[in-house]
Amino acid sequence: SQQGEEDPQALSIQEGENATMNCSYKTSINNLQWYRQNSGRGLVHLILIRSNEREKHSGRLRVTLDTSKKSSSLLITASRAADTASYFCATVGDTGTASKLTFGTGTRLQVTL
Amino acid sequence: SQTIHQWPATLVQPVGSPLSLECTVEGTSNPNLYWYRQAAGRGLQLLFYSVGIGQISSEVPQNLSASRPQDRQFILSSKKLLLSDSGFYLCAWSNRRTSLWGNTEAFFGQGTRLTVV
Repeated sequence: SQQGEEDPQALSIQEGENATMNCSYKTSINNLQWYRQNSGRGLVHLILIRSNEREKHSGRLRVTLDTSKKSSSLLITASRAADTASYFCATVGDTGTASKLTFGTGTRLQVTL
Repeated sequence: SQTIHQWPATLVQPVGSPLSLECTVEGTSNPNLYWYRQAAGRGLQLLFYSVGIGQISSEVPQNLSASRPQDRQFILSSKKLLLSDSGFYLCAWSNRRTSLWGNTEAFFGQGTRLTVV
């Protein structure tokens, strides 16, 4: 079953704009991760945020985590056409399932020139 | 450096035929291994994960099985494929040592697109 639900399912923006994607999950987590998938390819890890962290940055990426609301957001600033891809959140549980990585449904991001 | 190999890239199989997808990891030892399936335009469904040789956890009842005959080899199989088995299958690994502290970044293969006809 899916642990995370991303919102929106699809997002279309112009180059230079910021893109924000949200993820909600159901059970307690140890950490939450964001991945990117180009069409028809494998996933690439972007950033990991632990349950005791609230915000994390990596280049043009900013991730927030609100464990009280069981939600996270991924912000991509100054988007580029090359950012066009699907983005997924994934969670690792905190109850003896440290090896289990469960993905959400994804957000398809389209960045146009 | 660590690499993950998954093959074949594409596969077309008739209904009722067997399936064997193989995934191998290089450059690391004792990894966690995962098989995911992705329907067109959808998220990833965890099918199996393994924390060691011969240790397989199944996430959903289905027509598929998984085996880990060697530390860095993970095989997805079916005796008789169904139309509903079509999809994009992804193998992944994570470092067992760091996963003990929850730093379970996963590294993915390039996937196998399976079409059952």
